[in-house]
Amino acid sequence: KAGVTQTPRYLIKTRGQQVTLSCSPISGHRSVSWYQQTPGQGLQFLFEYFSETQRNKGNFPGRFSGRQFSNSRSEMNVSTLELGDSALYLCASSLDRVVSYEQYFGPGTRLTVT
Amino acid sequence: AQSVSQHNHHVILSEAASLELGCNYSYGGTVNLFWYVQYPGQHLQLLLKYFSGDPLVKGIKGFEAEFIKSKFSFNLRKPSVQWSDTAEYFCAVNADRDDKIIFGKGTRLHILP
Repeated sequence: KAGVTQTPRYLIKTRGQQVTLSCSPISGHRSVSWYQQTPGQGLQFLFEYFSETQRNKGNFPGRFSGRQFSNSRSEMNVSTLELGDSALYLCASSLDRVVSYEQYFGPGTRLTVT
Repeated sequence: AQSVSQHNHHVILSEAASLELGCNYSYGGTVNLFWYVQYPGQHLQLLLKYFSGDPLVKGIKGFEAEFIKSKFSFNLRKPSVQWSDTAEYFCAVNADRDDKIIFGKGTRLHILP
């Protein structure tokens, strides 16, 4: 069974640009969560999608958005990039509620904003 | 709001030493607790979890954690560490009825051979 995949793995963008990251969950998993990982803040929860609906949202500005497609694949978008958005963005999938089913993490997308 | 504190940011131990990584959370209600591990070059993976029942939880690779409700703590322990335990460890909490998991900032563990 293939694991969670994320594309692209590395990305360099300029301040002010926007970026779209993609996540393909494990087959059969309907919940996809996104996290931002930085050395100073650790993992911070961005949002969680289930069956194409955002079920939970963290405390990030509206520049961070996401969506989920009918095949459970998910994308997150960051508009008007800032230097502080440089981070590793992790995607995790699970069968359903994260408290009942184990989350499986992808390798992440390393975003560098210059 | 929920939050998680991991007191040790970087721990260095020799092989065979005993390990205890501290984790405290802030939330007054029912919680579910997790420890995740990220080995160098690998994905984040679940080490163990506590939902209810016996407060002493055993996980993979000889790790265990004890939930002490009165202290809002969920410390991770291993009696004898190995070089292969070198990794970053994250404590996480979920409030009941919520679907988001809040992570601590992580503890980097370095085991000297």
